[in-house]
Amino acid sequence: AQTVTQSQPEMSVQEAETVTLSCTYDTSENNYYLFWYKQPPSRQMILVIRQEAYKQQNATENRFSVNFQKAAKSFSLKISDSQLGDTAMYFCAFMKTSYDKVIFGPGTSLSVIP
Amino acid sequence: GAGVSQSPRYKVAKRGQDVALRCDPISGHVSLFWYQQALGQGPEFLTYFQNEAQLDKSGLPSDRFFAERPEGSVSTLKIQRTQQEDSAVYLCASRKKETQYFGPGTRLLVL
Repeated sequence: AQTVTQSQPEMSVQEAETVTLSCTYDTSENNYYLFWYKQPPSRQMILVIRQEAYKQQNATENRFSVNFQKAAKSFSLKISDSQLGDTAMYFCAFMKTSYDKVIFGPGTSLSVIP
Repeated sequence: GAGVSQSPRYKVAKRGQDVALRCDPISGHVSLFWYQQALGQGPEFLTYFQNEAQLDKSGLPSDRFFAERPEGSVSTLKIQRTQQEDSAVYLCASRKKETQYFGPGTRLLVL
């Protein structure tokens, strides 16, 4: 079975600084999808970034980028120029195929400090 | 336009009461998922529909949980004889290609 681990329950970062959230996962699949979702206090889950395992190039979305290390089964999220609106729970997630359920990690609570 | 909507947003139930939670997916999305999110944890999969067919219900925690999507659009998650451990946020998601889009959730509190 696939599992997702986030070893940092809580993190904080100064506004405008850069922060990296860690995620590791376990799977025997070769092709799969990885995601970072953001859940602000209002609780609406929002997709931040997506990575297909067959793509070697790391995904980037504006201030958000990932470091995908397939052999190490590591998928970290880097947030540059942190903003107060980035304060939220961040969930790393795994999906085996595009027709499968999403498996979430336990989350990292990120606080951006003014 | 919309995104996924869910109702009610909050529900307080007495232990033993039946509840029904509704999900309206994004128009045209054939796949719909239900997740349960306990306080301070990540969401956990409950069940999955493709159109009106329930293809996976392996995550439903007991036979008190039942989900349906009779016309392949709106879905209802029903919990019978609620218990305190059912207290959680219930999230619905609909999918386009590889991405699931989540609703705001229904926060259920069982007293």
